[in-house]
Amino acid sequence: GAVVSQHPSRVICKSGTSVKIECRSLDFQATTMFWYRQFPKQSLMLMATSNEGSKATYEQGVEKDKFLINHASLTLSTLTVTSAHPEDSSFYICSATGFLGANVLTFGAGSRLTVL
Amino acid sequence: AQSVTQLDSQVPVFEEAPVELRCNYSSSVSVYLFWYVQYPNQGLQLLLKYLSGSTLVKGINGFEAEFNKSQTSFHLRKPSVHISDTAEYFCAVTLNQGGKLIFGQGTELSVKP
Repeated sequence: GAVVSQHPSRVICKSGTSVKIECRSLDFQATTMFWYRQFPKQSLMLMATSNEGSKATYEQGVEKDKFLINHASLTLSTLTVTSAHPEDSSFYICSATGFLGANVLTFGAGSRLTVL
Repeated sequence: AQSVTQLDSQVPVFEEAPVELRCNYSSSVSVYLFWYVQYPNQGLQLLLKYLSGSTLVKGINGFEAEFNKSQTSFHLRKPSVHISDTAEYFCAVTLNQGGKLIFGQGTELSVKP
């Protein structure tokens, strides 16, 4: 139980294009979803917190116009990296929290973005 | 604000040896504590968590951790490691269940035959 699916797992794009990453809770309703970024050999840094039906709350230093987050339903949040550049290349991980018999907090498998 | 410090960036050990991965946290209020494991190019898997109650927490894969409030520590231990335990380990804190996690820098555990 408490499965979070993240798609795509890997994506390569050209500089200047936009990329969308999806995060889905498969067997529970996710009241809140979190988006993290992880550079190689580094820890996870929280980018933003999204609640269904409301605007995401971004951490300090994260460009909200560059990293668009949409949480349109209780099972889906998307992160769109707009006008991607090589420095945006990273591992993006989502997590979702909700209730499935008990409070749950589950991570997706991550999405590796490579911008050429 | 809360913070987490993992004192060792890399821990090399031989197979079947015991291991301890250290984690200290800073917070002016009570927190919940977690240990996660990350295998290469994968997401995070929860090893164990401390919410309340007994300070010794047992998790998956033979790992356990002890919450020490006076020392603000939550060290992870395993009495005998396997090659398959080679991975990155993250300690994390949060103020409330289901809230945002603050992660430590990570400890790379490398188990050698």
